[in-house]
Amino acid sequence: ETGVTQSPTHLIKTRGQQVTLRCSSQSGHNTVSWYQQALGQGPQFIFQYYREEENGRGNFPPRFSGLQFPNYSSELNVNALELDDSALYLCASSLGDRGNYGYTFGSGTRLTVV
Amino acid sequence: GQQVMQIPQYQHVQEGEDFTTYCNSSTTLSNIQWYKQRPGGHPVFLIQLVKSGEVKKQKRLTFQFGEAKKNSSLHITATQTTDVGTYFCAGPRGTSYGKLTFGQGTILTVHP
Repeated sequence: ETGVTQSPTHLIKTRGQQVTLRCSSQSGHNTVSWYQQALGQGPQFIFQYYREEENGRGNFPPRFSGLQFPNYSSELNVNALELDDSALYLCASSLGDRGNYGYTFGSGTRLTVV
Repeated sequence: GQQVMQIPQYQHVQEGEDFTTYCNSSTTLSNIQWYKQRPGGHPVFLIQLVKSGEVKKQKRLTFQFGEAKKNSSLHITATQTTDVGTYFCAGPRGTSYGKLTFGQGTILTVHP
Protein backbone atom coordinates (compact mmCIF):
# COMPACT_ATOMS: atom_id res chain seq x y z
CA GLU A 1 0.00 0.00 0.00
CA THR A 2 1.28 3.45 -0.87
CA GLY A 3 1.50 6.20 1.70
CA VAL A 4 0.59 9.87 1.39
CA THR A 5 2.54 11.73 -1.25
CA GLN A 6 2.83 15.50 -1.49
CA SER A 7 4.22 17.76 -4.17
CA PRO A 8 6.26 19.80 -4.50
CA THR A 9 8.62 19.13 -1.60
CA HIS A 10 9.95 22.67 -1.52
CA LEU A 11 8.67 25.93 -2.95
CA ILE A 12 9.76 29.56 -2.86
CA LYS A 13 7.16 32.22 -3.65
CA THR A 14 7.00 35.99 -3.53
CA ARG A 15 4.60 37.85 -1.26
CA GLY A 16 1.27 38.41 -3.02
CA GLN A 17 1.58 35.37 -5.28
CA GLN A 18 -0.67 32.32 -5.28
CA VAL A 19 0.38 28.72 -4.66
CA THR A 20 -1.16 25.27 -5.14
CA LEU A 21 0.02 22.29 -3.14
CA ARG A 22 -0.98 18.73 -4.02
CA CYS A 23 -1.61 15.59 -2.03
CA SER A 24 -2.36 11.99 -2.94
CA SER A 25 -3.99 10.14 -0.07
CA GLN A 26 -3.04 6.68 1.10
CA SER A 27 -4.74 3.90 -0.80
CA GLY A 28 -8.16 3.22 0.71
CA HIS A 29 -8.35 6.52 2.61
CA ASN A 30 -11.27 8.82 1.75
CA THR A 31 -10.54 11.78 4.01
CA VAL A 32 -7.81 14.37 3.65
CA SER A 33 -6.83 17.02 6.19
CA TRP A 34 -4.37 19.84 5.74
CA TYR A 35 -2.16 21.22 8.49
CA GLN A 36 0.27 24.11 8.70
CA GLN A 37 3.35 23.59 10.85
CA ALA A 38 5.50 26.61 11.66
CA LEU A 39 9.05 25.97 12.82
CA GLY A 40 9.13 24.64 16.37
CA GLN A 41 5.34 24.39 16.63
CA GLY A 42 2.76 21.67 16.46
CA PRO A 43 0.68 21.29 13.29
CA GLN A 44 -2.29 23.67 13.04
CA PHE A 45 -5.50 22.37 11.44
CA ILE A 46 -6.45 24.21 8.23
CA PHE A 47 -9.38 22.17 6.90
CA GLN A 48 -10.59 18.67 6.13
CA TYR A 49 -12.15 17.20 3.01
CA TYR A 50 -14.46 14.21 3.11
CA ARG A 51 -16.30 12.89 0.07
CA GLU A 52 -15.13 15.90 -1.96
CA GLU A 53 -16.66 18.46 0.42
CA GLU A 54 -15.06 20.68 3.06
CA ASN A 55 -15.83 19.05 6.38
CA GLY A 56 -14.47 21.40 8.99
CA ARG A 57 -12.16 24.38 9.00
CA GLY A 58 -9.66 25.82 11.43
CA ASN A 59 -8.83 29.47 12.10
CA PHE A 60 -7.46 30.27 8.66
CA PRO A 61 -8.68 33.08 6.37
CA PRO A 62 -10.66 32.42 3.17
CA ARG A 63 -7.56 32.89 1.04
CA PHE A 64 -6.76 29.34 2.12
CA SER A 65 -8.97 27.08 0.03
CA GLY A 66 -8.96 23.51 -1.12
CA LEU A 67 -10.40 20.78 -3.25
CA GLN A 68 -10.81 17.04 -3.07
CA PHE A 69 -11.12 14.99 -6.22
CA PRO A 70 -13.09 11.78 -6.87
CA ASN A 71 -9.91 9.73 -6.38
CA TYR A 72 -9.60 11.39 -2.92
CA SER A 73 -6.48 13.35 -3.85
CA SER A 74 -6.54 16.97 -2.74
CA GLU A 75 -5.19 20.45 -3.39
CA LEU A 76 -4.49 23.32 -1.03
CA ASN A 77 -4.56 26.77 -2.60
CA VAL A 78 -3.27 29.89 -0.91
CA ASN A 79 -3.89 33.29 -2.47
CA ALA A 80 -2.18 36.60 -1.75
CA LEU A 81 0.73 34.96 0.06
CA GLU A 82 2.07 36.65 3.17
CA LEU A 83 5.47 36.23 4.81
CA ASP A 84 3.80 34.47 7.77
CA ASP A 85 2.56 31.76 5.41
CA SER A 86 6.09 30.38 5.34
CA ALA A 87 5.76 26.94 6.94
CA LEU A 88 5.65 23.20 6.37
CA TYR A 89 2.28 22.21 4.91
CA LEU A 90 1.24 18.71 5.81
CA CYS A 91 -1.44 16.60 4.23
CA ALA A 92 -2.89 13.76 6.29
CA SER A 93 -5.26 11.08 5.11
CA SER A 94 -7.50 8.75 7.05
CA LEU A 95 -10.27 6.22 6.60
CA GLY A 96 -13.42 8.12 7.53
CA ASP A 97 -13.68 11.64 8.87
CA ARG A 98 -13.25 10.71 12.52
CA GLY A 99 -9.64 9.63 12.30
CA ASN A 100 -10.32 6.67 14.57
CA TYR A 101 -7.33 4.81 13.23
CA GLY A 102 -5.01 7.79 13.28
CA TYR A 103 -3.81 9.92 10.43
CA THR A 104 -1.13 9.10 7.88
CA PHE A 105 0.88 12.19 7.14
CA GLY A 106 2.79 13.00 3.99
CA SER A 107 6.33 14.35 4.08
CA GLY A 108 5.02 17.87 3.54
CA THR A 109 5.71 20.84 1.31
CA ARG A 110 8.13 23.42 2.70
CA LEU A 111 6.83 26.81 1.54
CA THR A 112 9.02 29.88 1.83
CA VAL A 113 7.49 33.28 1.09
CA VAL A 114 9.96 36.08 0.42
CA GLY B 1 -10.87 28.07 22.33
CA GLN B 2 -9.56 24.61 23.09
CA GLN B 3 -5.91 24.44 24.13
CA VAL B 4 -3.64 21.42 24.34
CA MET B 5 -0.45 21.95 26.29
CA GLN B 6 2.57 19.73 26.67
CA ILE B 7 5.39 19.71 29.16
CA PRO B 8 8.29 19.75 29.13
CA GLN B 9 9.12 21.57 25.91
CA TYR B 10 12.59 20.01 25.81
CA GLN B 11 14.08 16.91 27.46
CA HIS B 12 17.69 15.80 27.26
CA VAL B 13 18.46 12.32 28.58
CA GLN B 14 21.33 9.89 28.57
CA GLU B 15 20.72 6.71 26.65
CA GLY B 16 19.13 4.20 29.00
CA GLU B 17 17.31 6.78 31.11
CA ASP B 18 13.53 7.02 31.19
CA PHE B 19 11.50 9.83 29.63
CA THR B 20 8.00 11.14 30.25
CA THR B 21 5.98 13.83 28.48
CA TYR B 22 2.68 15.16 29.76
CA CYS B 23 -0.28 16.51 27.84
CA ASN B 24 -3.11 18.62 29.28
CA SER B 25 -6.26 19.79 27.55
CA SER B 26 -8.43 22.74 28.55
CA THR B 27 -11.50 20.65 27.65
CA THR B 28 -12.56 17.04 28.07
CA LEU B 29 -11.43 14.93 25.14
CA SER B 30 -13.31 12.08 23.48
CA ASN B 31 -9.96 10.57 22.58
CA ILE B 32 -6.31 11.49 22.36
CA GLN B 33 -3.71 10.55 19.79
CA TRP B 34 0.07 10.56 20.00
CA TYR B 35 2.47 11.19 17.14
CA LYS B 36 6.24 11.15 16.76
CA GLN B 37 8.09 13.44 14.38
CA ARG B 38 11.74 12.74 13.68
CA PRO B 39 13.99 15.74 12.91
CA GLY B 40 13.24 16.88 9.37
CA GLY B 41 10.39 14.39 9.09
CA HIS B 42 6.64 14.29 9.36
CA PRO B 43 4.34 13.18 12.20
CA VAL B 44 3.87 9.43 12.47
CA PHE B 45 0.84 8.04 14.31
CA LEU B 46 1.72 6.07 17.43
CA ILE B 47 -1.54 5.35 19.22
CA GLN B 48 -5.07 6.46 20.09
CA LEU B 49 -6.56 6.29 23.59
CA VAL B 50 -10.33 6.45 24.04
CA LYS B 51 -11.37 5.21 27.48
CA SER B 52 -11.03 7.02 30.77
CA GLY B 53 -7.99 5.69 32.65
CA GLU B 54 -6.84 3.68 29.65
CA VAL B 55 -3.26 2.42 29.61
CA LYS B 56 -1.64 1.00 26.48
CA LYS B 57 1.87 -0.30 25.94
CA GLN B 58 3.98 -0.57 22.84
CA LYS B 59 7.26 -2.25 23.72
CA ARG B 60 9.12 0.41 25.77
CA LEU B 61 6.38 3.03 25.36
CA THR B 62 3.51 3.35 27.84
CA PHE B 63 0.57 5.66 27.12
CA GLN B 64 -2.01 6.75 29.69
CA PHE B 65 -5.29 8.64 29.41
CA GLY B 66 -6.44 10.40 32.54
CA GLU B 67 -9.58 9.53 34.47
CA ALA B 68 -11.13 12.90 33.61
CA LYS B 69 -10.05 12.53 29.96
CA LYS B 70 -8.29 15.90 30.09
CA ASN B 71 -4.72 14.71 30.38
CA SER B 72 -2.43 12.05 29.02
CA SER B 73 1.16 10.93 29.29
CA LEU B 74 3.75 9.06 27.29
CA HIS B 75 6.52 7.25 29.14
CA ILE B 76 9.53 5.70 27.45
CA THR B 77 11.57 3.19 29.43
CA ALA B 78 15.32 2.90 28.81
CA THR B 79 15.57 5.40 25.98
CA GLN B 80 17.55 4.63 22.85
CA THR B 81 19.05 6.99 20.27
CA THR B 82 16.29 5.91 17.89
CA ASP B 83 13.75 7.56 20.24
CA VAL B 84 15.04 11.03 19.29
CA GLY B 85 12.34 13.32 17.92
CA THR B 86 9.37 15.45 18.88
CA TYR B 87 6.40 13.79 20.53
CA PHE B 88 3.00 15.39 20.01
CA CYS B 89 -0.33 14.72 21.61
CA ALA B 90 -3.45 15.71 19.70
CA GLY B 91 -7.12 15.83 20.59
CA PRO B 92 -10.29 16.45 18.56
CA ARG B 93 -11.28 20.09 18.16
CA GLY B 94 -14.39 20.43 20.31
CA THR B 95 -17.04 18.05 18.99
CA SER B 96 -15.38 17.91 15.59
CA TYR B 97 -14.09 14.39 15.53
CA GLY B 98 -11.04 13.94 13.43
CA LYS B 99 -10.02 17.59 13.28
CA LEU B 100 -7.09 17.63 15.62
CA THR B 101 -5.63 20.22 17.95
CA PHE B 102 -1.96 19.43 18.50
CA GLY B 103 0.12 20.32 21.51
CA GLN B 104 3.39 22.15 20.88
CA GLY B 105 5.33 18.95 21.36
CA THR B 106 8.18 17.72 23.54
CA ILE B 107 11.57 17.56 21.85
CA LEU B 108 13.53 14.54 23.10
CA THR B 109 17.29 14.40 22.72
CA VAL B 110 19.10 11.19 23.67
CA HIS B 111 22.82 11.35 24.35
CA PRO B 112 24.72 8.09 23.68
